[in-house]
Amino acid sequence: ILNVEQSPQSLHVQEGDSTNFTCSFPSSNFYALHWYRWETAKSPEALFVMTLNGDEKKKGRISATLNTKEGYSYLYIKGSQPEDSATYLCAQTGANNLFFGTGTRLTVIP
Amino acid sequence: NAGVTQTPKFQVLKTGQSMTLQCAQDMNHNSMYWYRQDPGMGLRLIYYSASEGTTDKGEVPNGYNVSRLNKREFSLRLESAAPSQTSVYFCGLQGMNTEAFFGQGTRLTVV
Repeated sequence: ILNVEQSPQSLHVQEGDSTNFTCSFPSSNFYALHWYRWETAKSPEALFVMTLNGDEKKKGRISATLNTKEGYSYLYIKGSQPEDSATYLCAQTGANNLFFGTGTRLTVIP
Repeated sequence: NAGVTQTPKFQVLKTGQSMTLQCAQDMNHNSMYWYRQDPGMGLRLIYYSASEGTTDKGEVPNGYNVSRLNKREFSLRLESAAPSQTSVYFCGLQGMNTEAFFGQGTRLTVV
């Protein structure tokens, strides 16, 4: 079992603010780090899968960075919009499956 | 192209009743998974199947059985439901180091 931790557990931001949250994971035997966006009553949807130390990925206003040596990843949202409200999950690939953090619940206030 | 189809979406069971959650995929993935999601916890693996005909226990397998009928289908069975199995269940599939895809989830309540 891989211990994947996310912080903060939840946060509220005003529309237009930029925000970021953290995923920390064991740095040994690293395969890949995933980020998912999960809206209530829907299934999680992949944002990024990152495998290389120093990787940076971007999709619209959302971007992520990866540091495999120190075992952390940041997810950034620029200019938050109400539709960004969701739970953001990170997960690390283990030998046979993904190990998920508990998520960061983001609420964007109009 | 439906991706991952999971049924039912909702279910209420009495303690001791049995039920089977069905999952089917049309994405030709070898690996399929069953997770449960509880408040304050991440998705936890119940069972997985790396290929047709093989299944293995995950982190929380007690009280569940699975069956990988063919490459497309992976079912999860609760033989005698308990209140502790009240949860949201997700079927998923994934290639090595590629993104995972999930079904819509089954919200199960055991009373």
